[in-house]
Amino acid sequence: QSALTQPASVSGSPGQSITISCTGTSSDVGRYNYVSWYQQHPGKAPKLMIYEVSNRPSGVSNRFSGSKSGNTASLTISGLQAEDEADYYCSSYTSSSPSYVFGTGTKVTVL
Amino acid sequence: EVQLVQSGAEVKKPGESLKISCKGSGYSFTSFWIGWVRQMPGKGLEWMGIIYLGGSDTRYSPSFQGQVTISADKSISTAYLQWSSLKASDTAMYYCASAVHGTTYFDDWGQGTLVTVSS
Repeated sequence: QSALTQPASVSGSPGQSITISCTGTSSDVGRYNYVSWYQQHPGKAPKLMIYEVSNRPSGVSNRFSGSKSGNTASLTISGLQAEDEADYYCSSYTSSSPSYVFGTGTKVTVL
Repeated sequence: EVQLVQSGAEVKKPGESLKISCKGSGYSFTSFWIGWVRQMPGKGLEWMGIIYLGGSDTRYSPSFQGQVTISADKSISTAYLQWSSLKASDTAMYYCASAVHGTTYFDDWGQGTLVTVSS
């Protein structure tokens, strides 16, 4: 099972919007509406930001939104803030064991 | 509120065995899946495997099958990740995470266990 493909880095100025893509295959992203996004600050555990493509857990800012088209899912952060600077990983349910696969990860830099 | 507490950092020599733990509280974990995630220094997240605490279902990533053993003691809501013979390349941070059975996302995470393997 190969990792989902994400851009290595994305940057934006405060207040801007950025979008991170997550490209998989017809066995994972394209087959299931079970894409999640995780935020990880340096030295911290990952935090769930989006689940089932576009749902936000309680407590997550509505500046974070998710979508999917075909084999590619996307995470959009609007109104970029300094605290959004972190690594972001997508994850998809997959038909292969162990049922989940991560993306390669994207470092978001707030200029 | 669900909480996952992992065992402390470990320093081991190559060839030694190790078992780290992930204890859940705040809910009945028999309806949860626990996943183990590896993060090597400066690298991304990798799913190692998952285990269902309400049954016997355990699934491994092909990359980790045969290299580690995932187990659980449901009576104490604890999952384990075990190595029989560590290698230097096992040096990493290991996270556990939980998902409610029937969902497909891991919404609670442990604090991580740093495993260092060095001669």
